Amino acid sequence: AQKITQTQPGMFVQEKEAVTLDCTYDTSDQSYGLFWYKQPSSGEMIFLIYQGSYDEQNATEGRYSLNFQKARKSANLVISASQLGDSAMYFCAMREPRVGNNRKLIWGLGTSLAVNP
Amino acid sequence: NAGVTQTPKFRVLKTGQSMTLLCAQDMNHEYMYWYRQDPGMGLRLIHYSVGEGTTAKGEVPDGYNVSRLKKQNFLLGLESAAPSQTSVYFCASSYSRAGFTEAFFGQGTRLTVV
Repeated sequence: AQKITQTQPGMFVQEKEAVTLDCTYDTSDQSYGLFWYKQPSSGEMIFLIYQGSYDEQNATEGRYSLNFQKARKSANLVISASQLGDSAMYFCAMREPRVGNNRKLIWGLGTSLAVNP
Repeated sequence: NAGVTQTPKFRVLKTGQSMTLLCAQDMNHEYMYWYRQDPGMGLRLIHYSVGEGTTAKGEVPDGYNVSRLKKQNFLLGLESAAPSQTSVYFCASSYSRAGFTEAFFGQGTRLTVV
């Protein structure tokens, strides 16, 4: 069964430093997609970055990059030059391959990131 | 462009009461979802819809019903609220195009059942 694991319940980083949030996944399918979302204390879920299983390049979006290691089944989020506003919960999610109308996301339990000034 | 809007944002119910959560999206998305988020449990899918007039069960559908009479609206109903349904509820929507697309989320509804 598909599964997402985020092993770091909480992380601390100094402002302006880089931080890596871990995500490993388990699937037997060849076609899948991986997402990272941010949830600040205000509660909304904000899409950050996406990586497709067939994408050869690691995805990047501004200060966010996804370190995709397919053989190790890991999709770590790297935040460069951390800012105070990056303090939030971060969720890794995987979309199951399309089977009929199946478009569901499988979620990890999240990592709480605190950025220290 | 409002994106995904959920109403209400907060609600307190007594056990046994009923209520409906409304989700509206203005992005013409085919897919819509209802999740609940509980501490230590992550997000769990309650029901989802792949188009107007269709709904399907997710991981935790018991105690909830949904309807998608209009493409832009997805309603989540609690017929007889229970304390176990105390949670934060999120609605999301996404395109159905081939490949993988991100889901856009509403602001959430914090529901307390006493």
